[in-house]
Amino acid sequence: ETGVTQSPTHLIKTRGQQVTLRCSSQSGHNTVSWYQQALGQGPQFIFQYYREEENGRGNFPPRFSGLQFPNYSSELNVNALELDDSALYLCASSVDRGKTQYFGPGTRLLVL
Amino acid sequence: DQQVKQNSPSLSVQEGRISILNCDYTNSMFDYFLWYKKYPAEGPTFLISISSIKDKNEDGRFTVFLNKSAKHLSLHIVPSQPGDSAVYFCAASRRMGGGTSYGKLTFGQGTILTVHP
Repeated sequence: ETGVTQSPTHLIKTRGQQVTLRCSSQSGHNTVSWYQQALGQGPQFIFQYYREEENGRGNFPPRFSGLQFPNYSSELNVNALELDDSALYLCASSVDRGKTQYFGPGTRLLVL
Repeated sequence: DQQVKQNSPSLSVQEGRISILNCDYTNSMFDYFLWYKKYPAEGPTFLISISSIKDKNEDGRFTVFLNKSAKHLSLHIVPSQPGDSAVYFCAASRRMGGGTSYGKLTFGQGTILTVHP
């Protein structure tokens, strides 16, 4: 059984640029959630996708957007990058918006 | 508004002894609680969970206790091993819309556990 995978592992961007992060959910999982983890903090919920629809959103501005594809993989897009967007971005998957979410290794984004 | 808090940033324990990690929450709507372990450069790994209808759940060396009246949960690791050294996150969730589906996880800030040989 393949776990949650994310790409790329690391990324460096400059302020104002746009970035796309990718996530493949664990086999059989149809729900994907994205989290941002700043240094020294716990992960913060960005949004969740279920059956290709956004199913809840945290306190993040509209420049954070996402997609889920028919194969349940997902993208996180961030426009107009700011220095504070530097963080570890985590993707988690679950079955039918289930209780337990399983995390990928994350993408480390650095905005200069 | 920090709805889930882990007030101890770090904990140091001798190998073979018990590690107790604590977590407090404020939102009484939370009905499912999880512990994750995170090594550097890896994503959080699910360890153990507990539903609000229980007060204890055990899985090998790991036991989670829930005290709903105090809005407090704890993770006990017995015996502690050097490989347990990691950051431990407590997380909470709630059912959405009265159904069986769950949305976001709300995390605490984490506790760094160091187990000394």
